[in-house]
Amino acid sequence: DQQVKQNSPSLSVQEGRISILNCDYTNSMFDYFLWYKKYPAEGPTFLISISSIKDKNEDGRFTVFLNKSAKHLSLHIVPSQPGDSAVYFCAGPGAGGTSYGKLTFGQGTILTVHP
Amino acid sequence: DTGVSQDPRHKITKRGQNVTFRCDPISEHNRLYWYRQTLGQGPEFLTYFQNEAQLEKSRLLSDRFSAERPKGSFSTLEIQRTEQGDSAMYLCASSSGQGVSNYGYTFGSGTRLTVV
Repeated sequence: DQQVKQNSPSLSVQEGRISILNCDYTNSMFDYFLWYKKYPAEGPTFLISISSIKDKNEDGRFTVFLNKSAKHLSLHIVPSQPGDSAVYFCAGPGAGGTSYGKLTFGQGTILTVHP
Repeated sequence: DTGVSQDPRHKITKRGQNVTFRCDPISEHNRLYWYRQTLGQGPEFLTYFQNEAQLEKSRLLSDRFSAERPKGSFSTLEIQRTEQGDSAMYLCASSSGQGVSNYGYTFGSGTRLTVV
């Protein structure tokens, strides 16, 4: 029972354009979401978060949107840069884990930004 | 900033052998997590420690797996009688417990296990 799903395995974007990565979730009780970025041979690194009481959070080129009625969130990267090429994971609190930070991750989306 | 350190980075072992991985968290972090990531999947939670106490184990952690954090500092993950299905990236992460919902937590670079 995967609670967080990323249905697009990959995305290819031209440098300077917008990248939109999508994530769907099933548990309406999630109170926050995180996005992580992962380069090959490295561990995931935290990118941006959003609380369930908000519908948008922005940090520089990165904006996360939350649509609670659709149980959907998206990460927008504008403008995209070749260095953004990585695997992106969305994550929410794991079952029973809200109190100590256990996370459940989506499958990931491979973003490739072409120069 | 020493970050989260994992050792070894890579491990190739024959089926049936035992392996042990080590994780050194960020020194002031009392929470430590182990995750496993297989190809094409996101990290999957394995177990969680608060200080030296192991507070949750995933059902993914069969009897062949054991994790310890003896003094509330570094942690070890041991896999006995390895199987080919154990081949994966094993990730360790740590947190101070505050701000996970805003800042997530810090992962190490992982140990890639290949069972041949």
